Amino acid sequence: GAVVSQHPSRVICKSGTSVKIECRSLDFQATTMFWYRQFPKQSLMLMATSNEGSKATYEQGVEKDKFLINHASLTLSTLTVTSAHPEDSSFYICSARVGPNGVQVTQYFGPGTRLLVL
Amino acid sequence: SQQGEEDPQALSIQEGENATMNCSYKTSINNLQWYRQNSGRGLVHLILIRSNEREKHSGRLRVTLDTSKKSSSLLITASRAADTASYFCATDGIGGAQKLVFGQGTRLTINP
Repeated sequence: GAVVSQHPSRVICKSGTSVKIECRSLDFQATTMFWYRQFPKQSLMLMATSNEGSKATYEQGVEKDKFLINHASLTLSTLTVTSAHPEDSSFYICSARVGPNGVQVTQYFGPGTRLLVL
Repeated sequence: SQQGEEDPQALSIQEGENATMNCSYKTSINNLQWYRQNSGRGLVHLILIRSNEREKHSGRLRVTLDTSKKSSSLLITASRAADTASYFCATDGIGGAQKLVFGQGTRLTINP
């Protein structure tokens, strides 16, 4: 199946700093990428939908100025957690979908990035 | 928003037994998918069932879908220790950007 990578896999940072997480589709072009957040022992919560070349669409309650998303190419989307705080500590997972709406429904998930803010 | 509810939240069985997990959802869907997640890892896609399908098989997996009850079940037969993981259902709603909405998950433990 299609492969999606994330970098870094784990990051520890000080409160107030910004952290960038990359999501790459390795062997296919992803027209749409999704960013999820998962707290321990909980399910995945969709944060935003990212379409190549356009602004991301954020879910209700997700601050777009805090979680900056850039989808500059068909193989790369980045999530930047700005001015991170301990409550932002979580597991961040991206996924990528091939094709426009209605053509391909399977999403391929990255391995996740564990963020710990001290 | 999360619309899926999974039952049970945790399930512990002996190796070789069958494991059944259920998922309920609230709105109309295009399809429903099941994913597996090992602790601290990403999600692995297991199976997709479309809204016009009632049952689907893949190896030791059997998924059913009842759109009238807005529910689905995942059956893992002849369980193995390696099946220990969390299992999530995810629904893809009609229209829109085909965002997946995940259930709360079932933590499955297979005891050797």
